[in-house]
Amino acid sequence: EAQVTQNPRYLITVTGKKLTVTCSQNMNHEYMSWYRQDPGLGLRQIYYSMNVEATDKGDVPEGYKVSRKEKRNFPLILESPSPNQTSLYFCASSLGTGGEGYEQYFGPGTRLTVT
Amino acid sequence: AQSVAQPEDQVNVAEGNPLTVKCTYSVSGNPYLFWYVQYPNRGLQFLLKYITGDNLVKGSYGFEAEFNKSQTSFHLKKPSALVSDSALYFCAVSGYNAGNNRKLIWGLGTSLAVNP
Repeated sequence: EAQVTQNPRYLITVTGKKLTVTCSQNMNHEYMSWYRQDPGLGLRQIYYSMNVEATDKGDVPEGYKVSRKEKRNFPLILESPSPNQTSLYFCASSLGTGGEGYEQYFGPGTRLTVT
Repeated sequence: AQSVAQPEDQVNVAEGNPLTVKCTYSVSGNPYLFWYVQYPNRGLQFLLKYITGDNLVKGSYGFEAEFNKSQTSFHLKKPSALVSDSALYFCAVSGYNAGNNRKLIWGLGTSLAVNP
């Protein structure tokens, strides 16, 4: 089954404790992206990757890191989480960018709470 | 500035009635337009898109959307709503980032409630 998986689905952590949210897709997609969803703010892109070893900042990259060492995986790293990073996070993949007309496939989401 | 507006935070409709979720945009050029749906506790799912051609686009679950270039709108419609259509709906439009590369611009979402 074609899918995007994220782990963990729920995470409660404390300020400053490094964490990683994993994302994996089995569709051989080149483009992958991370979003955060907050009430009243909709979806905001954090980082995206056009292919292996090619990542770039989205609209809200501060406080986040990503890597793309393999085509299928695109982990999101919070080196020192802060309470303002409490949010619902989505990973997405597609054949190309949405800006080029390609629909995106989303993971189920990771609800992160930073206390 | 590029933007996508979903003017209604919430839409309420009775089951069996037609539904419309509105989307208007302000981007340059000929954009690509998308609708996604988010069911409770789920990720977003692609519903339909307009790239070129016929202004009326049909998608999943009986939804359709009409592209109107003169009004810069891309409203989502369904002739007969189901309770199971209750969800959060997002409109997205292709625009350009600071590097002049295409990117998606998202609306803030419209919550659709279909009442039995």
